[in-house]
Amino acid sequence: EAGVAQSPRYKIIEKRQSVAFWCNPISGHATLYWYQQILGQGPKLLIQFQNNGVVDDSQLPKDRFSAERLKGVDSTLKIQPAKLEDSAVYLCASSLANSRYQETQYFGPGTRLLVL
Amino acid sequence: AQSVAQPEDQVNVAEGNPLTVKCTYSVSGNPYLFWYVQYPNRGLQFLLKYITGDNLVKGSYGFEAEFNKSQTSFHLKKPSALVSDSALYFCAVRAPIGGYNKLIFGAGTRLAVHP
Repeated sequence: EAGVAQSPRYKIIEKRQSVAFWCNPISGHATLYWYQQILGQGPKLLIQFQNNGVVDDSQLPKDRFSAERLKGVDSTLKIQPAKLEDSAVYLCASSLANSRYQETQYFGPGTRLLVL
Repeated sequence: AQSVAQPEDQVNVAEGNPLTVKCTYSVSGNPYLFWYVQYPNRGLQFLLKYITGDNLVKGSYGFEAEFNKSQTSFHLKKPSALVSDSALYFCAVRAPIGGYNKLIFGAGTRLAVHP
């Protein structure tokens, strides 16, 4: 079974530029998550989708971050404009469903973003 | 408040020796606990989880974890460490926060296994 796919793997941009990340979840997984992992910290949830609807975006900095999951499969996370503090690894994860606490999330390899 | 603590930034162990990576949690209601491992430039890989039942949970790559409700702990263990086990390990708890079902991660513990 194919895992969660993400691209690009690495991205270097200057502050105030825009950037977009792409995620393709495991086939059949209804729930998709975007996490931000700053160096030396654990991942922190940015946004969660159930099919193509947003379930939780309470931690998403909406003045600069946006995400969409058209057709309930692939998802794109965008930052515009980027700040220095956005330098981090952006992880995408998916799970079969969110309604059960025991559901396991499976993570992609991540996109490492460096903002100069 | 719902939280996870990994008290050790780094654990050093000799190859062949047993290893323990510590995790304690604070959550209202029943805890749903997870361990993930992260190798350099890789995403998080699921190791094991505790939902209910037997306090000793067995997972991937020979790892196991012991759930202790009285001590609110979920320590990760392996009887005999390998150099290839060297990686960053994250403990996580699934908890309701603000009406949402979130996965809360600890800060991570770096495991270094020396030959």
